[in-house]
Amino acid sequence: GAVVSQHPSRVICKSGTSVKIECRSLDFQATTMFWYRQFPKQSLMLMATSNEGSKATYEQGVEKDKFLINHASLTLSTLTVTSAHPEDSSFYICSADSATNEKLFFGSGTQLSVL
Amino acid sequence: GENVEQHPSTLSVQEGDSAVIKCTYSDSASNYFPWYKQELGKGPQLIIDIRSNVGEKKDQRIAVTLNKTAKHFSLHITETQPEDSAVYFCAASRGYGNKLVFGAGTILRVKS
Repeated sequence: GAVVSQHPSRVICKSGTSVKIECRSLDFQATTMFWYRQFPKQSLMLMATSNEGSKATYEQGVEKDKFLINHASLTLSTLTVTSAHPEDSSFYICSADSATNEKLFFGSGTQLSVL
Repeated sequence: GENVEQHPSTLSVQEGDSAVIKCTYSDSASNYFPWYKQELGKGPQLIIDIRSNVGEKKDQRIAVTLNKTAKHFSLHITETQPEDSAVYFCAASRGYGNKLVFGAGTILRVKS
């Protein structure tokens, strides 16, 4: 149990386009989901906290208009990188908080490359 | 703000030896301390966690200890195997619904 599915696993896009990443909790409901960003050989940096049915809370320095987060249901959160630029290239990882056992589980990550 | 420090940054051990990774946290309200293993190109995998109401927890070759007074917690891996090679992250949070703050990570290499 406690599987978090994240898609796509890898995406290459042109500069200026938008990219949507999906995060689903497959066998549990997640009131809260988190989005992280990870650069090579670095730790995970929290971008935003997403609560079902309400606006996301963004960490300092993260542009909310650039990284749009939607958490429309208890099993799905999406991150849209709008007008992507090469500096947005990174590994994006979602996580979901399971109320059943109060543990945080991660998706498999999405490697975004912006050309 | 909350800060989690992790040491060492890299750790090389011989197969069969033990490995210990240590973390300290700054937020005294933290009560949940998970450890994650991350392989290249993949998301972090929860391997063990501990809550503030216990001092030690063990799961086969993996154990975690917590010293709330000193704000320290450690991961112990015994009888290491080559497949244990990965990046390990400690983290701390105030519990369910709250964000995790991660340590910088430890690259563990198990030499056969």
